[in-house]
Amino acid sequence: NAGVMQNPRHLVRRRGQEARLRCSPMKGHSHVYWYRQLPEEGLKFMVYLQKENIIDESGMPKERFSAEFPKEGPSILRIQQVVRGDSAAYFCASSRGQTLNEKLFFGSGTQLSVL
Amino acid sequence: TQLLEQSPQFLSIQEGENLTVYCNSSSVFSSLQWYRQEPGEGPVLLVTVVTGGEVKKLKRLTFQFGDARKDSSLHITAAQTGDTGLYLCAGPGAGNMLTFGGGTRLMVKP
Repeated sequence: NAGVMQNPRHLVRRRGQEARLRCSPMKGHSHVYWYRQLPEEGLKFMVYLQKENIIDESGMPKERFSAEFPKEGPSILRIQQVVRGDSAAYFCASSRGQTLNEKLFFGSGTQLSVL
Repeated sequence: TQLLEQSPQFLSIQEGENLTVYCNSSSVFSSLQWYRQEPGEGPVLLVTVVTGGEVKKLKRLTFQFGDARKDSSLHITAAQTGDTGLYLCAGPGAGNMLTFGGGTRLMVKP
């Protein structure tokens, strides 16, 4: 029973490059959430997706950031033209239903470092 | 925006001591959750409290939800080195998305 799988665990990019972070939810889960965590801080909500749909992207910067959750394959968080301020741990979580009624399971995160 | 403030931010204690960490808000929450996060890992859910005044126990951990559902506390009895980690409270925020507090980083020294 695999949990939420995120890869890569660590990603190093130079300023201006693109970062693609992947998240495979738990089996049977169709709801995916992305959070960002800066050092010594809590998690900040970015985006909530169901299969093929973005439900809430209110926490995601309007520029350079995008997310998708295709019918087949993992959810992808894409950051274009990365800047040093994008360095953070990015966590994906999944649930069977919406958070209020369902337990949220988190992956181990992707640590993005921008040089 | 419903904000959750956690205190203290950092706590360093000796093994065997007791401690309490707090999660406060000016807003009423329908429920609050507590997570523990270890370095290099994602948060893991410890408990969900739903009813005002509710007390839940998980071995040496006691969670309480305030009567007005605006605050919560986590008490650890006889802390062990394995309790070291970041303790996060979270509740439904805007759009019912889970909103996290800033966390309390606990270090239990042997």
